[in-house]
Amino acid sequence: QSALTQPASVSGSPGQSITISCTGTSSDVGNYDLVSWYQQHPGKAPKLMIYEVSKRPSGISNRFSGSKSGNTASLTISGLQAEDEADYYCCSYAGSSTYVVFGGGTKLTVL
Amino acid sequence: QVQLQESGPGLVKPSETLSLTCTVSGDSINSYYWSWIRQPPGKGLEWIGYIYYAGSTNYNPSLKSRVTISVDTSKNQFSLKLSSVTAADTAVYYCARLDSAGDYFDYWGQGTLVTVSS
Repeated sequence: QSALTQPASVSGSPGQSITISCTGTSSDVGNYDLVSWYQQHPGKAPKLMIYEVSKRPSGISNRFSGSKSGNTASLTISGLQAEDEADYYCCSYAGSSTYVVFGGGTKLTVL
Repeated sequence: QVQLQESGPGLVKPSETLSLTCTVSGDSINSYYWSWIRQPPGKGLEWIGYIYYAGSTNYNPSLKSRVTISVDTSKNQFSLKLSSVTAADTAVYYCARLDSAGDYFDYWGQGTLVTVSS
């Protein structure tokens, strides 16, 4: 069982917006603004999409945005495109010992 | 552009030690933190541990007794050893760079599948 809880799957039609939630505890998500999100296409390595809750690395579309409220972080993808279909993982810093914990992943299907 | 490449045996026998190396190109290993992450087939990601170029390490508490991560700055490489492996250690193993703040993984290797089987 993963430390962070994500829905197993979400879906949306092209052009729509979807949100993926990531629920942790006061020891990880709720205590640090250090949540990151990764996109993983089948057979590929994860790719950083969002870091420190809401920051986008260079080259990442502004259709991807992140936020956090309490112990839950969220990734929103607007203007869904076919290439957004992938697995998405959240990750949170959890202190110097545990260090980081991942969510179980969410499969995004673009209908 | 930073690139990471994992290498090592794709098949390891139960109870033996898994050994992988990550070669870094496009940047010196003499900065940042360098990490190993694994993903069992069809499952999610699990952080294994990290090493700083100067040698300090931090390991996932659930794997700590079996994991050793080392660095060879002369070769721009870092390595993973996981002892006493079982079938549960079968996974794609990724090496990755932690950003300068140490809280997210900004560059990843392509991953290498290691199967534990006799």
